[in-house]
Amino acid sequence: GESVGLHLPTLSVQEGDNSIINCAYSNSASDYFIWYKQESGKGPQFIIDIRSNMDKRQGQRVTVLLNKTVKHLSLQIAATQPGDSAVYFCAEREGTGRRALTFGSGTRLQVQP
Amino acid sequence: NAGVTQTPKFRILKIGQSMTLQCTQDMNHNYMYWYRQDPGMGLKLIYYSVGAGITDKGEVPNGYNVSRSTTEDFPLRLELAAPSQTSVYFCAINRADNSYEQYFGPGTRLTVT
Repeated sequence: GESVGLHLPTLSVQEGDNSIINCAYSNSASDYFIWYKQESGKGPQFIIDIRSNMDKRQGQRVTVLLNKTVKHLSLQIAATQPGDSAVYFCAEREGTGRRALTFGSGTRLQVQP
Repeated sequence: NAGVTQTPKFRILKIGQSMTLQCTQDMNHNYMYWYRQDPGMGLKLIYYSVGAGITDKGEVPNGYNVSRSTTEDFPLRLELAAPSQTSVYFCAINRADNSYEQYFGPGTRLTVT
């Protein structure tokens, strides 16, 4: 079936740089997207979400961009900090009656001091 | 992870044993979910529930059973444990009944040997 995927399994950045984590999705019926951060040994934590009627949404130091034309989602983290080191997952809701999310396989972000 | 509790935190089972993973929420929300996360992978939906007395299969339901007799509790049952069920199990609820954002418990790490 269709699923969410990520381009890069591991991303290494210098502290203070901006990070961009990418995600490709294939289900054109998906109407909601969400990014989670998962630290080692913990459950996923919400970062930011976006509905399909938007193309950009900003939070504190994070921005999510949605390009429906090419079915691409990205998470931008400004001024990356060591505490941002974690695995990041994108997920989509596939626009059916269910509220369940379909998750990608994750990208590990490593912040070098 | 206040609001969603999972027990136990860790468990080792022998092949063929059975156990119940507990999930309890104190937010009185209708939607609850069980996911499993294999090492280095994203989360896969096992079962979900849209309210007391209503459950449905997710992506990977084989080998598991659930029940939802109350709004608060959504236990996951493994009847005949197999090594393929070695994973971390997360319970989740929707942040609000009109939200797609999911809020995760701390997880149960299960090893089947």
